[in-house]
Amino acid sequence: QVQLQESGPGLVKPSETLSLTCTVSGGTISSSSYYWGWIRQPPGKGLEWIGNIYYSGTTFYNTSLKSRVTISVDTSKNQFSLKLRSVVAADTAMYYCVRTPGGLRDSVVLPAAFGWGQGSLVIVSS
Amino acid sequence: QSVLTQPPSASGTPGQRVTLSCSGSRSNIGGNTVSWYQQFPGTAPKLLIYNTNLRPSGVPARFSGSKSGTSASLAISGLQSGDEAHYYCAAWDDSLNVIFGGGTKLTVL
Repeated sequence: QVQLQESGPGLVKPSETLSLTCTVSGGTISSSSYYWGWIRQPPGKGLEWIGNIYYSGTTFYNTSLKSRVTISVDTSKNQFSLKLRSVVAADTAMYYCVRTPGGLRDSVVLPAAFGWGQGSLVIVSS
Repeated sequence: QSVLTQPPSASGTPGQRVTLSCSGSRSNIGGNTVSWYQQFPGTAPKLLIYNTNLRPSGVPARFSGSKSGTSASLAISGLQSGDEAHYYCAAWDDSLNVIFGGGTKLTVL
């Protein structure tokens, strides 16, 4: 069974770059037609989609974050990563890495995160 | 950016059938499919429904999804105390975003 585990700094200063990594175990990140992605949840609030990357490298980003976000895959380490630049306090959230199998239209699968990591809390503060 | 509208709270008694609603527009629910998630405090969400009415493997048949026009619903039959959680709907929006509802806190009385 494929498992996901987030890792990265829990505290980031305003204006700096938030960097998180998701390690995939129990499967190979590039061997199947999966979408890999990130969703965040501010403390006590709802969910916000950040973006996804298809195993082929195609990316999909939240248009409100697109100018600050990069999602990439490192097949040699079986990991994918999130970089969010120029962070502000409003970026404080639990960040989850997610996995979705392909096979249907993007509009069907992208809202359907089948697998989740346990989450990584990132606080933006000086 | 569009947001799907969910009532902040709902309740039911054990054994009852409850329906949670999610309201959107033509650019999201009206033209695309809907997913539903269940989240317990301190844990990651879990996918309950995708493609509007399909259940991932392992999700009990007590959970079912549907949509009509620009609104979607999650029905839970045979309500159990263990169903007390937050429930979120999600859909693709034609603005090229995945959007979520604000969530409904379901209380089992």
